[in-house]
Amino acid sequence: GAGVSQTPSNKVTEKGKYVELRCDPISGHTALYWYRQSLGQGPEFLIYFQGTGAADDSGLPNDRFFAVRPEGSVSTLKIQRTERGDSAVYLCASSQDRRLTSSSYEQYFGPGTRLTVT
Amino acid sequence: SQQGEEDPQALSIQEGENATMNCSYKTSINNLQWYRQNSGRGLVHLILIRSNEREKHSGRLRVTLDTSKKSSSLLITASRAADTASYFCASGGSNYKLTFGKGTLLTVNP
Repeated sequence: GAGVSQTPSNKVTEKGKYVELRCDPISGHTALYWYRQSLGQGPEFLIYFQGTGAADDSGLPNDRFFAVRPEGSVSTLKIQRTERGDSAVYLCASSQDRRLTSSSYEQYFGPGTRLTVT
Repeated sequence: SQQGEEDPQALSIQEGENATMNCSYKTSINNLQWYRQNSGRGLVHLILIRSNEREKHSGRLRVTLDTSKKSSSLLITASRAADTASYFCASGGSNYKLTFGKGTLLTVNP
């Protein structure tokens, strides 16, 4: 079946602009995660959704970052007033409901969106 | 913030040799996972080892876990040029979060 998809694959924007990054998880996966990966680093957790609600947004760096998942499937990460320091690859992952099966600890990642703020 | 550290940061070997990467983490875990990443994009899950396990195999991969030392190792046997990638360990607690290390860049020369 289809994996996690993310659009766009690349986004170049000017400092101060607003951007939206989209994630389509694997069908049936109730858990969805956003990570940010800077050059030469491992992914860093941003936010986790279980269904429609953000169960944990403690990784969001500041209030310019916001994410939604209104129908419990597709999620959008929104960044306001972008700064050059926001440049990174934004990764989305999904997994099964961890309450149902122990294998749900495994997360399936999308190809990422490379965001460049000029 | 990142919790784990991989060692070495970079590793270059010849095809057919074995590659060993190590990972350390800081807090108690429920499981530890290894992921592979090509060209800085999507990560691919390789193997998961639970905190009550000491060793696990999957094909050419062997993972060990020492919870007393808070460390894990990934061994890739009989490496191939196609194994060239970055490898990350990720520690999972009783919650859902994964905390990644900085990764090891493996280069397998043909």
